[in-house]
Amino acid sequence: KQEVTQIPAALSVPEGENLVLNCSFTDSAIYNLQWFRQDPGKGLTSLLLIQSSQREQTSGRLNASLDKSSGRSTLYIAASQPGDSATYLCAVMSGTSYGKLTFGQGTILTVHP
Amino acid sequence: DADVTQTPRNRITKTGKRIMLECSQTKGHDRMYWYRQDPGLGLRLIYYSFDVKDINKGEISDGYSVSRQAQAKFSLSLESAIPNQTALYFCATSPKGLAEVDTQYFGPGTRLTVL
Repeated sequence: KQEVTQIPAALSVPEGENLVLNCSFTDSAIYNLQWFRQDPGKGLTSLLLIQSSQREQTSGRLNASLDKSSGRSTLYIAASQPGDSATYLCAVMSGTSYGKLTFGQGTILTVHP
Repeated sequence: DADVTQTPRNRITKTGKRIMLECSQTKGHDRMYWYRQDPGLGLRLIYYSFDVKDINKGEISDGYSVSRQAQAKFSLSLESAIPNQTALYFCATSPKGLAEVDTQYFGPGTRLTVL
């Protein structure tokens, strides 16, 4: 059974800092790994999707990497802003569970001015 | 208008009551999902449907049932609500396609409290 773990559970940083969120998963047979952002009252929004054959994806100030062999992914946020404050969730689509996502517990990020 | 809508957005009910949460989508996607989120536990899959006639149990289906009334509508029912079903419930959709690029689109969530 796939298990996804995110570290840290919460992170508070001053504006402008670069930061890294971590995600690990137990079964490396995956179709893809995704990072979502969750804002209160607004559901989840997909930020980045990394296919199993890819090593990283970038979107603006966000960069996500994937190391399947070690079961790890990182989400790098450059020059953080107060508007980045949200919960960030990592999710994996396993090779044995097509169409179904397994989520980590999330990292609550607070960026203060 | 939002692509994935959920009603109600908030609901407080009592133990033993029957509750239905509704999800509608205008994205034209075949696949729909119901998740619940508890503090510190991430999202867990309750039920999923790959088309109108294909409904499957997820990780935590006990105490829940679903109905796929049409491609655009997927309802979640709690036949007899209990306090540990207090949670944030999300509906999601996804299109048919390659697994490698398969992502899901989420509704805004329903906050359910069972007293």
